[in-house]
Amino acid sequence: NAGVMQNPRHLVRRRGQEARLRCSPMKGHSHVYWYRQLPEEGLKFMVYLQKENIIDESGMPKERFSAEFPKEGPSILRIQQVVRGDSAAYFCASSRGGTDNEQFFGPGTRLTVL
Amino acid sequence: SQQGEEDPQALSIQEGENATMNCSYKTSINNLQWYRQNSGRGLVHLILIRSNEREKHSGRLRVTLDTSKKSSSLLITASRAADTASYFCATPSSSGNTPLVFGKGTRLSVIA
Repeated sequence: NAGVMQNPRHLVRRRGQEARLRCSPMKGHSHVYWYRQLPEEGLKFMVYLQKENIIDESGMPKERFSAEFPKEGPSILRIQQVVRGDSAAYFCASSRGGTDNEQFFGPGTRLTVL
Repeated sequence: SQQGEEDPQALSIQEGENATMNCSYKTSINNLQWYRQNSGRGLVHLILIRSNEREKHSGRLRVTLDTSKKSSSLLITASRAADTASYFCATPSSSGNTPLVFGKGTRLSVIA
């Protein structure tokens, strides 16, 4: 079984450009979470989605950031007009849901903003 | 929001020794999860312990949970150089299908 897939693994953007990060959850998982990790830090929650619905976006900046999880295809985290402070590792996790909500993580996308 | 805090922040041991990492959290939880992260990589799910469990084993890993003290520990026995990584505990932000709240992790170095 394939795990959580993320692409690209590395992404370089210049200030003002757009970044699109993709996440395909594990087979059978309908819950997707996006987290951001700065160097030497733990992961910080950004947004939680189920198919076609944003359930919780309390950790995502109101401006420039958006996320979707369409009926078909991967979940997308989109960052518009990137700034240097957006440089970080972005991780996606998926779960089946349920009481335990065991989350499994992808390899991450490392975004560098020049 | 509740937060897991790992202790120590960094730990360096010789191969073959045991490594113990601790995690404290603030509010009631229904489970606690431990993850490993190798440098520059994603997180690997190690073990989930439920609030009604006190101890759980998986291979060389042993996790304990003390809900009265709001703390958990991860013990790695007979450590290997390949165990070198950062270890994080994570707790649900609330009940149900909710995001996880992570601590800053313990950086473990196992010296051959």
